[in-house]
Amino acid sequence: DVKVTQSSRYLVKRTGEKVFLECVQDMDHENMFWYRQDPGLGLRLIYFSYDVKMKEKGDIPEGYSVSREKKERFSLILESASTNQTSMYLCASSSSRGIYTEAFFGQGTRLTVV
Amino acid sequence: DQQVKQNSPSLSVQEGRISILNCDYTNSMFDYFLWYKKYPAEGPTFLISISSIKDKNEDGRFTVFLNKSAKHLSLHIVPSQPGDSAVYFCAASENYGQNFVFGPGTRLSVLP
Repeated sequence: DVKVTQSSRYLVKRTGEKVFLECVQDMDHENMFWYRQDPGLGLRLIYFSYDVKMKEKGDIPEGYSVSREKKERFSLILESASTNQTSMYLCASSSSRGIYTEAFFGQGTRLTVV
Repeated sequence: DQQVKQNSPSLSVQEGRISILNCDYTNSMFDYFLWYKKYPAEGPTFLISISSIKDKNEDGRFTVFLNKSAKHLSLHIVPSQPGDSAVYFCAASENYGQNFVFGPGTRLSVLP
């Protein structure tokens, strides 16, 4: 069974803290994504990566950075957490081999910044 | 400006009836479209997809229709069941599935 695993289901952090969200996939996928989900806004792309050490900005990269040192792991970093980064964060992966593939999602991390 | 729009934030349907969820897009370069279902506190799960070379795709109770000239797609669920109650996201890709743009979602409630 294919799997994308996010390290935490729920996190509470203080304003100004550096926050790490970890994501691991076991499908040998080349592509990995970080989205945030907010009511009425759907899923918005923060960053994505097509390969190890590669990263591309999505629609809302400000305040975030990412790291992909290994193919199976994609980390999202909030350099200095702020209250407007309180959200549901979703990691996904997909294969770049072939066409018409879908993205597989992790269970999400509900982050609250206080 | 949103490239993928779902203009109905919510929809209520009686059990056994048809649910129709709509999605509009603005980018004519999109060539692949997907529907995802999301329960609270879980990640989205893939439901059904359609490529731009087709106008219909069926999988059991789920059918997706694509009207390229209108830049519109819809998801039909027949018959609707209470377990279908969830948020449904429409997504589109212009690289045959290499990157995905999501709509804001429609919350479907199927009433017993």
